[in-house]
Amino acid sequence: KAGVTQTPRYLIKTRGQQVTLSCSPISGHRSVSWYQQTPGQGLQFLFEYFSETQRNKGNFPGRFSGRQFSNSRSEMNVSTLELGDSALYLCASSEGQRINTNGYTFGSGTRLTVV
Amino acid sequence: GESVGLHLPTLSVQEGDNSIINCAYSNSASDYFIWYKQESGKGPQFIIDIRSNMDKRQGQRVTVLLNKTVKHLSLQIAATQPGDSAVYFCAEIAYNFNKFYFGSGTKLNVKP
Repeated sequence: KAGVTQTPRYLIKTRGQQVTLSCSPISGHRSVSWYQQTPGQGLQFLFEYFSETQRNKGNFPGRFSGRQFSNSRSEMNVSTLELGDSALYLCASSEGQRINTNGYTFGSGTRLTVV
Repeated sequence: GESVGLHLPTLSVQEGDNSIINCAYSNSASDYFIWYKQESGKGPQFIIDIRSNMDKRQGQRVTVLLNKTVKHLSLQIAATQPGDSAVYFCAEIAYNFNKFYFGSGTKLNVKP
């Protein structure tokens, strides 16, 4: 059974640009959650999508957005990139909503560097 | 607000020794706790979990202890190996509040 796949693995962008990251969950999983991980702030919850609907949202500005497709694949978008957006972006998938944690599995992340 | 934190940001142990990683939590309503291991360049991986109605749970070389009186969670790793070197996170879930928090992480260095 394939794990959670995130693409690309590494990305370098310039301030002001926008970026789209992709996450393919484990087959059969309907929930995808996104996290930002930085050395200073640890794992910060961005949002969760379940059956194409955003179910929960963390405390991030509107520049951070996401969506989920009918096949459960999810994308997150960051517009008008700032230097502080440099981080490892992780997604996790589960069968049910995230707090049910059944098979909650993380991908390896996308390392975004903003220069 | 509620938070999950760790006592020690970095822990160095000798190969073969036992390791203890600690985590303090503040939400007394939390139902469920999880320990994750994150190796360099990878996402967090599930190690072991424990429900709030338990005080101890054992896995393969790992034991999680929960002390609800002082809101403390610990992960014990027996006979620590170089492959155990990683960052370890605790996570806390409160179902009634729809809350799922991660701690800030402890880095474990295993010296050969």
